[in-house]
Amino acid sequence: KAGVTQTPRYLIKTRGQQVTLSCSPISGHRSVSWYQQTPGQGLQFLFEYFSETQRNKGNFPGRFSGRQFSNSRSEMNVSTLELGDSALYLCASRSGTVNTEAFFGQGTRLTVV
Amino acid sequence: KQEVTQIPAALSVPEGENLVLNCSFTDSAIYNLQWFRQDPGKGLTSLLLIQSSQREQTSGRLNASLDKSSGRSTLYIAASQPGDSATYLCAAVMSYSGAGSYQLTFGKGTKLSVIP
Repeated sequence: KAGVTQTPRYLIKTRGQQVTLSCSPISGHRSVSWYQQTPGQGLQFLFEYFSETQRNKGNFPGRFSGRQFSNSRSEMNVSTLELGDSALYLCASRSGTVNTEAFFGQGTRLTVV
Repeated sequence: KQEVTQIPAALSVPEGENLVLNCSFTDSAIYNLQWFRQDPGKGLTSLLLIQSSQREQTSGRLNASLDKSSGRSTLYIAASQPGDSATYLCAAVMSYSGAGSYQLTFGKGTKLSVIP
């Protein structure tokens, strides 16, 4: 059974550009959540999608957005990149109900220069 | 504000020692708590999930407990090995939007080093 797949693994972008990250959840899982990990703040929740609908959103500016497709794959977009957006972005997959285990991908390391 | 705290931030033990990692959370109305392992530059590997109705879960050399009344969880690692060296994170589900959503609130982790 394939795990959670995130692409690309590494990205280097220039300040002001935009970026799109992709996450393919475990087959059959309908919930995809995104987290940002930085050395100072640790892991912070960005948003969660379930059946193409955003169910929950963390405390991040509107430059951070996402979407989910009918096959449950999700994309996250960050516009007008800032140096502080440099982080490891992690995607979590779960079957859908609240009391199920979350499985994470390997992450996308974004560096903004 | 819902918070999860892990102390200490780093721990070094000799190989073979049994050890306990601590996690505390602010909301006793917890839905579940999950322990993860993270190797440098990698994603998170799920170790154990404890539901709010459970007191503990076991997997191999790992045992996790949950005490909602005191707001604490512990991860017990028996007979530690150098391969156990990693950062261990606990994450709690402490809010529920009613639409089936939840979010994991993470501690900042305990970096474990097992010395051969």
